Amino acid sequence: GESVGLHLPTLSVQEGDNSIINCAYSNSASDYFIWYKQESGKGPQFIIDIRSNMDKRQGQRVTVLLNKTVKHLSLQIAATQPGDSAVYFCAETKGPAGTYKYIFGTGTRLKVLA
Amino acid sequence: EPEVTQTPSHQVTQMGQEVILRCVPISNHLYFYWYRQILGQKVEFLVSFYNNEISEKSEIFDDQFSVERPDGSNFTLKIRSTKLEDSAMYFCASSGTGSGYTFGSGTRLTVV
Repeated sequence: GESVGLHLPTLSVQEGDNSIINCAYSNSASDYFIWYKQESGKGPQFIIDIRSNMDKRQGQRVTVLLNKTVKHLSLQIAATQPGDSAVYFCAETKGPAGTYKYIFGTGTRLKVLA
Repeated sequence: EPEVTQTPSHQVTQMGQEVILRCVPISNHLYFYWYRQILGQKVEFLVSFYNNEISEKSEIFDDQFSVERPDGSNFTLKIRSTKLEDSAMYFCASSGTGSGYTFGSGTRLTVV
């Protein structure tokens, strides 16, 4: 079956520290993975994506790591800021980006402590 | 930056009533989606729409639900006879080939 799940429902980090949010997926056919950020009362906002032919991708202050062997995805946020406080979802899909449904994980709430 | 626009932001309706949730996708996008999120839960797929027809739907998307792209710019989700359990945030998303989704800000539907 298909499932995407997150290990930690809530993560609290000190401002300035690095954050790591984890995600497990079970569908081996998935080849495109995305991290979304959702602030209260808003829709999911794209953060970063990665294809299955890569194991690491970096953006501005964010890095996504993909370990296909253990079906694990992580989001690293460097120098976490108060504005990073939100719920973070991973999602998986297959095929060309945007043409298939996404399967979302449960979400991890990131709390940044001043 | 192009946005997906959803209206209304909040809709309250009585059980059994019909509701129409409206979305204006990004103009050059070809794929359209509705997702919903029950409070505190994950975002769930409802339906995808491409080339003026449904390409996939979930088991949630039963006969009470329908989608339409009436005029080439709007994309609507209709719930014919709302139930209490339909209360959720409903997100519209659109995408082009090779690009990820852009989500709207959502419509909070409250069925009383």
